[in-house]
Amino acid sequence: AQSVTQPDIHITVSEGASLELRCNYSYGATPYLFWYVQSPGQGLQLLLKYFSGDTLVQGIKGFEAEFKRSQSSFNLRKPSVHWSDAAEYFCAVGARYGNKLVFGAGTILRVKS
Amino acid sequence: DVKVTQSSRYLVKRTGEKVFLECVQDMDHENMFWYRQDPGLGLRLIYFSYDVKMKEKGDIPEGYSVSREKKERFSLILESASTNQTSMYLCAGTRNMNTEAFFGQGTRLTVV
Repeated sequence: AQSVTQPDIHITVSEGASLELRCNYSYGATPYLFWYVQSPGQGLQLLLKYFSGDTLVQGIKGFEAEFKRSQSSFNLRKPSVHWSDAAEYFCAVGARYGNKLVFGAGTILRVKS
Repeated sequence: DVKVTQSSRYLVKRTGEKVFLECVQDMDHENMFWYRQDPGLGLRLIYFSYDVKMKEKGDIPEGYSVSREKKERFSLILESASTNQTSMYLCAGTRNMNTEAFFGQGTRLTVV
């Protein structure tokens, strides 16, 4: 069964600083990987996804993520954070063989000016 | 516009009541999911369904059941509501596992 670990519950960064949110997964085969963002009182929005091919994927709002098979990781990055990026971020893993979609516990991002 | 719709935004139920949370999608999704979202715990999978009348347990199925009689509707049932089931419940659908999951707006359930 697949699982997802987001080790950081809260992260605070200064506006304009770079950001990296960590995600580690457990799955027996190459998974489908996703990052979603949830702003306060809002639903979940897809930032980016990885299925195969290039391990560095680009998403919306200037985010990118890199799939590292050897580390079972799919970390989310942004070179310069904006105050509007303050939200909760969820990493998710989908089963390539099966139908299960599992989310991590989330990382709350705070941006200080 | 694609839509996953949950029947209620807010519900207040009494302990011991049988509670139905309804989710309807108009996107021809094969797969549908029910999650509960609690602070610090993220989204935890309760049940999912990959076809009509097919269902599988997620990570926290205890105290819940589901029904999928039609492709577009996936219902979550709390057989006997308890206070520890007070939470935000999210329904989602996806056509394939390598496509985006679309979420409903959530149902905030309070059991008193």
